Amino acid sequence: NAGVTQTPKFRVLKTGQSMTLLCAQDMNHEYMYWYRQDPGMGLRLIHYSVGEGTTAKGEVPDGYNVSRLKKQNFLLGLESAAPSQTSVYFCASSPTLTYEQYFGPGTRLTVT
Amino acid sequence: EDKVVQSPLSLVVHEGDTVTLNCSYEVTNFRSLLWYKQEKKAPTFLFMLTSSGIEKKSGRLSSILDKKELFSILNITATQTGDSAVYLCAVNTGNQFYFGTGTSLTVIP
Repeated sequence: NAGVTQTPKFRVLKTGQSMTLLCAQDMNHEYMYWYRQDPGMGLRLIHYSVGEGTTAKGEVPDGYNVSRLKKQNFLLGLESAAPSQTSVYFCASSPTLTYEQYFGPGTRLTVT
Repeated sequence: EDKVVQSPLSLVVHEGDTVTLNCSYEVTNFRSLLWYKQEKKAPTFLFMLTSSGIEKKSGRLSSILDKKELFSILNITATQTGDSAVYLCAVNTGNQFYFGTGTSLTVIP
């Protein structure tokens, strides 16, 4: 079991560029989440999904889009990157809403 | 606005000391409170608490929840250098998890 994996691990973007972060889990979990972690801010939820084909906004969704076309994958897109989106992005999954979350290793994104 | 506050922000102790980390919360629909340990990479799960007054224990770590006063504590006894990490508290409100900013613990040999 690989658990939760994230691609890529690091990325540098110029302002205005676009990119997609991929999260994959092999635990057959229904719920998947995207967070960003900034110094002094803790983890903040960007978007989440309660099942294949469904997505919902979290605490800080502006500037991001997501898709969950397959149960095992959750994609996070940045259409026009801004320096304020420089952060470490974590994906997580859980089997149910009230269960613990399993986190991926993170993606460090820098926007210049 | 739902929020989770952790204290202290950072802590430096010597090996063998006992530490208590605090997590207070104000949320509209409490389901559970979770503790995670983060060592420069992905957070790893420690405990999940749903009922007041029931202590969860794992080795030298223990945690308890007070739903009346809206807080939880995480205790670590006989600390070791391997306990150095950021400890995160999160509250589940149904579909969402709200995280505190974490407590950074440094254990000096």
